[in-house]
Amino acid sequence: NAGVTQTPKFRILKIGQSMTLQCAQDMNHNYMYWYRQDPGMGLKLIYYSVGAGITDKGEVPNGYNVSRSTTEDFPLRLELAAPSQTSVYFCASSNKVHEQFFGPGTRLTVL
Amino acid sequence: LAKTTQPISMDSYEGQEVNITCSHNNIATNDYITWYQQFPSQGPRFIIQGYKTKVTNEVASLFIPADRKSSTLSLPRVSLSDTAVYYCLVGDIGNAGNMLTFGGGTRLMVKP
Repeated sequence: NAGVTQTPKFRILKIGQSMTLQCAQDMNHNYMYWYRQDPGMGLKLIYYSVGAGITDKGEVPNGYNVSRSTTEDFPLRLELAAPSQTSVYFCASSNKVHEQFFGPGTRLTVL
Repeated sequence: LAKTTQPISMDSYEGQEVNITCSHNNIATNDYITWYQQFPSQGPRFIIQGYKTKVTNEVASLFIPADRKSSTLSLPRVSLSDTAVYYCLVGDIGNAGNMLTFGGGTRLMVKP
């Protein structure tokens, strides 16, 4: 099993550009999550999904969108990138709510 | 969500036992206590979870007193590779909408 994979690993965006961060899991997990982690801080939940077709907002959803068309994939869309979205983004999946498996992260810089 | 408080940082030496205590005074009846470990430039990794008394696995032990207002993660005989940030989280594991809240965590530095 590859576990949770994320692409790209690194990305630099200009202000106002948009992009999609990809996340895929091959563990047949129902729950998937997107977090962001700013330097020296803990993780903050952006969006989560309890199954295909179902998504909900987390603590910091503004500026982001998600979709969950399949069990495996949970892409995160950034529209109109802003410097405040410079962060490391982690995707996670689980079948038990608090036992989550995390991907390697995407380091995003918005200039 | 129950708020957690844990030390910002701790230092230890190789071979010692390390105990990291987390306070969660307003823990609810249905809440479980979960600990994660995060190495630099990696995503967090689940370590251990418990509800009361003691839980042990191949990585760590978790001690929870009867009042459940605190918990202690115990790492036996740490090595340099245990240098990481450790997060204590509290929440209802039966509710997917009960978001995990990662605070600042405890930065453990293991020295030779």
